Amino acid sequence: SAVISQKPSRDICQRGTSLTIQCQVDSQVTMMFWYRQQPGQSLTLIATANQGSEATYESGFVIDKFPISRPNLTFSTLTVSNMSPEDSSIYLCSVPRSNTGELFFGEGSRLTVL
Amino acid sequence: AQSVTQLDSHVSVSEGTPVLLRCNYSSSYSPSLFWYVQHPNKGLQLLLKYTSAATLVKGINGFEAEFKKSETSFHLTKPSAHMSDAAEYFCVVSEGTYKYIFGTGTRLKVLA
Repeated sequence: SAVISQKPSRDICQRGTSLTIQCQVDSQVTMMFWYRQQPGQSLTLIATANQGSEATYESGFVIDKFPISRPNLTFSTLTVSNMSPEDSSIYLCSVPRSNTGELFFGEGSRLTVL
Repeated sequence: AQSVTQLDSHVSVSEGTPVLLRCNYSSSYSPSLFWYVQHPNKGLQLLLKYTSAATLVKGINGFEAEFKKSETSFHLTKPSAHMSDAAEYFCVVSEGTYKYIFGTGTRLKVLA
C-alpha cells in the first residue's frame, strides 16, 4: 500500500487569503487525485494531477481557484485561493493502485475559513 | 453511467449485534466496488474491494460484503459490532479508467 503524507493536517485561515496543501507519496505514481469533502458530505473530485502536464479539473472547479502543481512523480500541491467560508472543508489527496484500482488516501487537510 | 446509492444515511446498532450497511450501484460494465471507512478527523481507509473474483469478499476488522449482480447490490456486513466500528462508511463504484463514484456515506453509531 502507498503511504501518503499531507500537510498541513489542519489550519484556520482568514477569508481572502490562500493556502497551499502538500501531498507526498512514498512511491512514484502517475496519477494523483485531489478531493474535497465539505462538512457532513461525501467526497467530490476537484482535479487529477498528472506529472508533466496540466491538471484536469472537474466541472465546477477552475484552475484560478484551485491551482495544482505536480513537479515530480511523488509530490503535488493544491492551493485554495482567495478563500471564503464556503471553502471550509477537508481536502484529501489520493492515489490509485494500478493493478487493482483501489484508492489510497492521505489523512486529509481540514481547512476552516473565518 | 455509473452511480451508487447508500440507502441509509445513519445506522445505529448495539454493541455485539450485527451490522448491515446497504449499497446499490448502477453500472454499464463489470464494475469494481469498494467500501471505505472514515473515522473522525481521519482519511479514508479501504475495508474491502470486489474486482470480479469471488462474490463474497472479506475485508479487515471482520467486515465482509457480497456482490449480487442480479440485485445490483454490494451490502457491507459484520456479525458483531464493536464500539470502534463507529465511523462513516462510503461505498464506491469504479468502471476502470480511474473514475470513482462515491456514495453519500452512512454514519454508523454503536450503542453500548
